[in-house]
Amino acid sequence: DSGVTQTPKHLITATGQRVTLRCSPRSGDLSVYWYQQSLDQGLQFLIQYYNGEERAKGNILERFSAQQFPDLHSELNLSSLELGDSALYFCASSVSGFYGYTFGSGTRLTVV
Amino acid sequence: AQKVTQAQTEISVVEKEDVTLDCVYETRDTTYYLFWYKQPPSGELVFLIRRNSFDEQNEISGRYSWNFQKSTSSFNFTITASQVVDSAVYFCALVPGGTSYGKLTFGQGTILTVHP
Repeated sequence: DSGVTQTPKHLITATGQRVTLRCSPRSGDLSVYWYQQSLDQGLQFLIQYYNGEERAKGNILERFSAQQFPDLHSELNLSSLELGDSALYFCASSVSGFYGYTFGSGTRLTVV
Repeated sequence: AQKVTQAQTEISVVEKEDVTLDCVYETRDTTYYLFWYKQPPSGELVFLIRRNSFDEQNEISGRYSWNFQKSTSSFNFTITASQVVDSAVYFCALVPGGTSYGKLTFGQGTILTVHP
């Protein structure tokens, strides 16, 4: 157990739907990062939060949004889902990038 | 902008062979951190090593070793006497320094298959 908890582990949904992925960071980590891993794009950075504030944005679609709550857990919301959104979504947390990043086990999203 | 290149898409070896995974990076930052992660078939990302740009010492951990050469912007990973359990996708990644909150930039990954 890495200490970063992601739920659900698997999600199957239809095109056009909306889903929410949840991440609980490792105890003491203030930063949360979301990554998307698809077959053709590799591991792509989506967004980062630090202590509730958005810090950095990567290749995140407008249909996607995220937030970090006061208890530091984070949610990634994906809406108007398309087949191409099918991927493994990882959450990572860190105290500081200097010390590395701990990844959760991921949420595998399948859009049908 | 940062870039990490893992030119080897797939490598196939027989058990007990040594194998080296290449990683070349690009960054304008003078301070940065390099990482290797392992992704076994189960899918999770497992941290292997972190190296900062000021520390060019090679590192050995059991059968794993890492060779960091700033002059060639490379951070290669060698597995000695490979085992079937080493079969996985291996990712090299970089984060720029100067901020504590930087994001990881990953290479495309190298699929390593170790045959018995």
